[in-house]
Amino acid sequence: NAGVTQTPKFQVLKTGQSMTLQCAQDMNHNSMYWYRQDPGMGLRLIYYSASEGTTDKGEVPNGYNVSRLNKREFSLRLESAAPSQTSVYFCATVGGGGQPQHFGDGTRLSIL
Amino acid sequence: GENVEQHPSTLSVQEGDSAVIKCTYSDSASNYFPWYKQELGKRPQLIIDIRSNVGEKKDQRIAVTLNKTAKHFSLHITETQPEDSAVYFCAASRGTGTYKYIFGTGTRLKVLA
Repeated sequence: NAGVTQTPKFQVLKTGQSMTLQCAQDMNHNSMYWYRQDPGMGLRLIYYSASEGTTDKGEVPNGYNVSRLNKREFSLRLESAAPSQTSVYFCATVGGGGQPQHFGDGTRLSIL
Repeated sequence: GENVEQHPSTLSVQEGDSAVIKCTYSDSASNYFPWYKQELGKRPQLIIDIRSNVGEKKDQRIAVTLNKTAKHFSLHITETQPEDSAVYFCAASRGTGTYKYIFGTGTRLKVLA
């Protein structure tokens, strides 16, 4: 899926470490999203950016920060990782209202 | 707050039978309803969607129905095949403003050969 690229694909951290998950899209979409996916919980929205220069909290923002660097890139930062943040993280984009989201391949993050 | 409930959480059917997954949404302003299929270890991928001005949409073996009055929508898969085995997610969106999507918790479909 060349449309939405996430890096890294896998990461293991120790409690208290920080890291940034990167997301880049070449679809010229305005809106970008970060979700986390835990077993039996579906996709929960962490933060989203409706357009370049704006960001808003989703359902589970605590412990995370985001940056919409430009139209293409939307990063998610864990300042002090906790075991509860072990999850699969998906970035998604959408071109406009009433359109489907396009997902990246995900980042599998384990925090020990 | 906005919520989407999805049932059942797991569903097993014999190959060739039909499968139905149901979702109920709370935000009456929702007007766009996509369905995603997620295979193990892969990203969610859109399989079908419906907008609020349409009551039913069909694409080969897959169909979606929408009842705006009752605020629920359903995914129907006919003539199921082993490759239909996956987790299916419904979602609801207002389609305007901030374009937030609220997802159901998923249905794990197993098609038994």
